[in-house]
Amino acid sequence: DVKVTQSSRYLVKRTGEKVFLECVQDMDHENMFWYRQDPGLGLRLIYFSYDVKMKEKGDIPEGYSVSREKKERFSLILESASTNQTSMYLCASGSGMETQYFGPGTRLLVL
Amino acid sequence: AQRVTQPEKLLSVFKGAPVELKCNYSYSGSPELFWYVQYSRQRLQLLLRHISRESIKGFTADLNKGETSFHLKKPFAQEEDSAMYYCALSGQGNTPLVFGKGTRLSVIA
Repeated sequence: DVKVTQSSRYLVKRTGEKVFLECVQDMDHENMFWYRQDPGLGLRLIYFSYDVKMKEKGDIPEGYSVSREKKERFSLILESASTNQTSMYLCASGSGMETQYFGPGTRLLVL
Repeated sequence: AQRVTQPEKLLSVFKGAPVELKCNYSYSGSPELFWYVQYSRQRLQLLLRHISRESIKGFTADLNKGETSFHLKKPFAQEEDSAMYYCALSGQGNTPLVFGKGTRLSVIA
């Protein structure tokens, strides 16, 4: 069974804080993804990575950065959290770009 | 540009009634289409992909290239089908999936 885990299920942060969201997968997948999920907007791709130390911007990268130092770990960083970044964040991994395995999500509230 | 449109945000049907979740896409090449599902308090997961041509949990979806559609169908809805459904498209090359905005299916007993 593919396992994608995310470091926190719920997070509450203050405006301006630096926020780290961690994602780990145990299936040796090359590709990893970060999405945010908002009602009425669906899933929007923030960043993805197809190899260690490689990253590509998705549709909404502004205000975010990522880090992939090891194949199994993909971190999403909010450099200075803002209230409009309150959302559900989903991590996913896959051996190709098609079938993706998702983590349970991190619900982030920025006050 | 690749685009996936799910015209219904919410679809409510009675138990035992047929279900059709609509999905239209925009892509100039030969796409691969997928349906993902998220049940309450569970993670998003793949339901089916068009190249498999399989039925999962009674759901089927046929790719209609003429109408650029990939509608998800089930002849008799069950309460446990209540969930959020996302249609997704994969284009050629090493590009990520493009998701629609999702349709919430509510099956009423």
